[in-house]
Amino acid sequence: GQQLNQSPQSMFIQEGEDVSMNCTSSSIFNTWLWYKQDPGEGPVLLIALYKAGELTSNGRLTAQFGITRKDSFLNISASIPSDVGIYFCAGRWNAGNNRKLIWGLGTSLAVNP
Amino acid sequence: EPEVTQTPSHQVTQMGQEVILRCVPISNHLYFYWYRQILGQKVEFLVSFYNNEISEKSEIFDDQFSVERPDGSNFTLKIRSTKLEDSAMYFCASGDSNEKLFFGSGTQLSVL
Repeated sequence: GQQLNQSPQSMFIQEGEDVSMNCTSSSIFNTWLWYKQDPGEGPVLLIALYKAGELTSNGRLTAQFGITRKDSFLNISASIPSDVGIYFCAGRWNAGNNRKLIWGLGTSLAVNP
Repeated sequence: EPEVTQTPSHQVTQMGQEVILRCVPISNHLYFYWYRQILGQKVEFLVSFYNNEISEKSEIFDDQFSVERPDGSNFTLKIRSTKLEDSAMYFCASGDSNEKLFFGSGTQLSVL
């Protein structure tokens, strides 16, 4: 089955530092989504990507859809304490009725003020 | 801002009992989903629903599970006879025309 490898598994950084995390897939996708999940809450959509090479920003967050269609990365610049949480990548190949998202295992981010 | 709402936020049940988890998706969305997440693990797809029928389901979504959209606003997940391993956080999600998925806050199901 399709596999998504997300790395790193966890990060502990100082406030103000930049963060980078990425996901790679065993197969190609035509949609990549990045989510953040706070404890006890549902995932919140951060950025959606639909085209290979697409680079999209949302405030201090920037994500890119890899040219190979098998990877994506998320960068957070100048981290702040409220960036703490678990970040998930999710990808999908939209075809017919297939809208199932494949999820990474998450990157747990801790920010030291 | 429109959001997906789920009730109850917590459900405790005895093994073998039936549970119904309820969701109100965002009103103009067309695609509806149930996912679950066991504590500390990744989000797992259960089922997608479009045009009043199941469009895809995972191997987790066996005969004990069913979904309904009874009245055009609610979207429910029923587990007919709960097992211990059904304990998880269940998330409802709805998708817009750009197929972005928006999640509710989840129902924490505990099967004793």
